[in-house]
Amino acid sequence: DGGITQSPKYLFRKEGQNVTLSCEQNLNHDAMYWYRQDPGQGLRLIYYSQIVNDFQKGDIAEGYSVSREKKESFPLTVTSAQKNPTAFYLCASSTGVEQFFGPGTRLTVL
Amino acid sequence: AQTVTQSQPEMSVQEAETVTLSCTYDTSESDYYLFWYKQPPSRQMILVIRQEAYKQQNATENRFSVNFQKAAKSFSLKISDSQLGDAAMYFCAYDPGNQFYFGTGTSLTVIP
Repeated sequence: DGGITQSPKYLFRKEGQNVTLSCEQNLNHDAMYWYRQDPGQGLRLIYYSQIVNDFQKGDIAEGYSVSREKKESFPLTVTSAQKNPTAFYLCASSTGVEQFFGPGTRLTVL
Repeated sequence: AQTVTQSQPEMSVQEAETVTLSCTYDTSESDYYLFWYKQPPSRQMILVIRQEAYKQQNATENRFSVNFQKAAKSFSLKISDSQLGDAAMYFCAYDPGNQFYFGTGTSLTVIP
């Protein structure tokens, strides 16, 4: 089945640690996106990539980093510089017209 | 700046009745896409309906339809014959061609 997978579903991190969220898609989409979702704030764009080996910052990129070495994969690293990382993270890929979303990762900083 | 406004944080509807969710957006573009996404308690984002700005005809998908007013920059979602499974967060989204901009969402409760 084609789709987007995110792992893990739940992730716990100690303060000061970096953590990487996985996003894989087998839809053959060129564009991929990372969003952060907080209560009452909708989805906010962290980073996006429209082609392999290229990516752009979104509205809230500070404290995050990404890579796009393969078309299928777009991992997100939450660094210790991110002051308030506890949130729900959604990955998406796009045909250029519609975005398809993964199931999300809930990150909690202890 | 591109912004999407959903002015109704919460709405409720009686089962089998009709409800309309509001969305306005700000843009200087003439060609773009608009979307409504549904997020049930599972938190999986599901596309409900899509509208191309160059099309004057309002999009319809079964019980879901939109009222697209381009000049007013308004894009409301009408849900007819509401069902218990329609209970969810609904997000309006605007895409000028390179990224999506989402509203803050409307939480819809369906009353049996």
